[in-house]
Parts: sequence; C-alpha cells; structure tokens
Amino acid sequence: GAVVSQHPSRVICKSGTSVKIECRSLDFQATTMFWYRQFPKQSLMLMATSNEGSKATYEQGVEKDKFLINHASLTLSTLTVTSAHPEDSSFYICSADRTGRDSYEQYFGPGTRLTVT
Amino acid sequence: GQNIDQPTEMTATEGAIVQINCTYQTSGFNGLFWYQQHAGEAPTFLSYNVLDGLEEKGRFSSFLSRSKGYSYLLLKELQMKDSASYLCAFLDSNYQLIWGAGTKLIIKP
Repeated sequence: GAVVSQHPSRVICKSGTSVKIECRSLDFQATTMFWYRQFPKQSLMLMATSNEGSKATYEQGVEKDKFLINHASLTLSTLTVTSAHPEDSSFYICSADRTGRDSYEQYFGPGTRLTVT
Repeated sequence: GQNIDQPTEMTATEGAIVQINCTYQTSGFNGLFWYQQHAGEAPTFLSYNVLDGLEEKGRFSSFLSRSKGYSYLLLKELQMKDSASYLCAFLDSNYQLIWGAGTKLIIKP
C-alpha cells in the first residue's frame, strides 16, 4: 500500500508557458502533501507543504505566484509552474503523509522531469 | 539552529560492508529517516529511528544516538544495485523533515 503517482513523468515545454503536475495518493488519504525540487547532483529542496482545503505553505525563496499549488482533495495535489523559464528545468517530486498514522514517513511519487526550452 | 551533515560520496566493494554516517543538530527531534535514491528516480524509504539503538532490516541496519546527534546506515553484502544516493533526514519539533545533501555510494566489482 501507500502508492503515490505523478503525472506527467516527463514534460518539455517552451519558455513562457505553464505546466501542471499532478500528484495522487492512490490507496490512502493524504492530509499533507509536499512538493520538492531537485537539481542534478543535489539533494531534495522542499518547495511547499500543502494541506487539503487550505493554502499551501511555501518555503523561503519560493515564489507562490509562480508555483501554484492546489490541494483540492485528500488524494490529489497539483503544482502549476507558471510562465516557465529554462532555470525552472528540474526534477519535481511530490510526497504524501498518510492521514492518521504516526510514523511521519513520506511516500514519494516517481517524480516529474521538467525541461523548459 | 538546525543542520544535518553526511559525506558527499563513498566507494565500496561488492560483497563488502559500508557504513554511512549522518550527524545533526537541532533543538527539537522527532526521529530520523534514511532514504535511498537511484539516479533519476524518487527516494524510497529505508528506515525510521526515533529511539536509540540499532534496527536491522535485512541487509540494511540503521543506528541512532540521540545524545550524540548521530546516526548511521549500515549496508552489508553490498550488491551493484546498491549504488545510489542515501539521504538522511530528521523530523524537527514542527514535524518538518530536514534533509541532508545525500551520500552518493559507488559500488565497485
């Protein structure tokens, strides 16, 4: 159990366009979902934490108007990269915290590789 | 303040044992995680320690000393597929994960 999916797995877009990435918990409910960004050979960088039905909490330095997060249900969160630029090219990974469990383990999606040309 | 530190890279031989250390500093602590991440893939959970001591899970074991702010991941009978980055992360007082930069483990035949 505890499977998290992400869609798309890879996306190439032109500079100035917007891209939406979906993160779904397939067999459990996730009160909290996390969005990370990872540049090559670097560790995970938390971008934001989203709780179902409320506004996301963004980490310092992450522009909330550029990276729009919606957590409309207990199984779905979306990240929209607006007006993407080449420097936004990265590996975006979501994770989910299972509701009602105390282990605080985060279950990761497979990631989305975004390339902005 | 908070910080977490682990070696950048380690090399080991197939069939051998390797220990990856992780040290941390924080005022609030709610457990430490180890994750494995293969290149181009998302991290996968390996272990969670909240009490002192060693927890063994097959070829992998994880140790925690809260008084020393120290953890290690022990990998036995190394296989080529164990070549990956190993990330340690601790849960702070707000239950937020604070991630290390990861240790890239290279396994040689």
